[in-house]
Amino acid sequence: GENVEQHPSTLSVQEGDSAVIKCTYSDSASNYFPWYKQELGKGPQLIIDIRSNVGEKKDQRIAVTLNKTAKHFSLHITETQPEDSAVYFCAAEGFQKLVFGTGTRLLVSP
Amino acid sequence: GAVVSQHPSWVICKSGTSVKIECRSLDFQATTMFWYRQFPKQSLMLMATSNEGSKATYEQGVEKDKFLINHASLTLSTLTVTSAHPEDSSFYICSAPGTSGREGQFFGPGTRLTVL
Repeated sequence: GENVEQHPSTLSVQEGDSAVIKCTYSDSASNYFPWYKQELGKGPQLIIDIRSNVGEKKDQRIAVTLNKTAKHFSLHITETQPEDSAVYFCAAEGFQKLVFGTGTRLLVSP
Repeated sequence: GAVVSQHPSWVICKSGTSVKIECRSLDFQATTMFWYRQFPKQSLMLMATSNEGSKATYEQGVEKDKFLINHASLTLSTLTVTSAHPEDSSFYICSAPGTSGREGQFFGPGTRLTVL
């Protein structure tokens, strides 16, 4: 089955810096890669996603890149703000099932 | 985007009792819903896939007789934790896929279960 690894587990940045979170997956059949933001005590919230026929996608301060050959994808957040502090999960989907990475706790200090 | 709700948001129960958690798609129909469990500071783990009109499919290692799933309608799936024990204490989250096939999954706000 699919296995998703995520790094780093924690990331501390200063406000205004960029943050990068990386994930690798194992199943070449996976074709959908969402990123979720989860705040304490809440469900995951989709922030951006990418499908296997696209190499990069951007939405304001957030971008995701996908390298299908290497089976890795990354989340890029620019101009970070304190409200970006949360746990971020990557996921890979094949046959409608999502497999999540282990999560990255992002802390943005003012 | 589509909205998925869960009820209750939190529940405390005694060991040995059963607890029912509801998952509703509020403005769309979902023939399939997914149930996840998340322990503190850990990732989400898929427990089972709930299918409207048929039996749920469970992931390896998840006891189907302990975690009863009923997909009663196109907008409601329920998860019943039977004979709950303290080790069942967790955050339970449901999701439903968007109807277009390109929206991914929409997640509920989660239910915090504490078994005393």
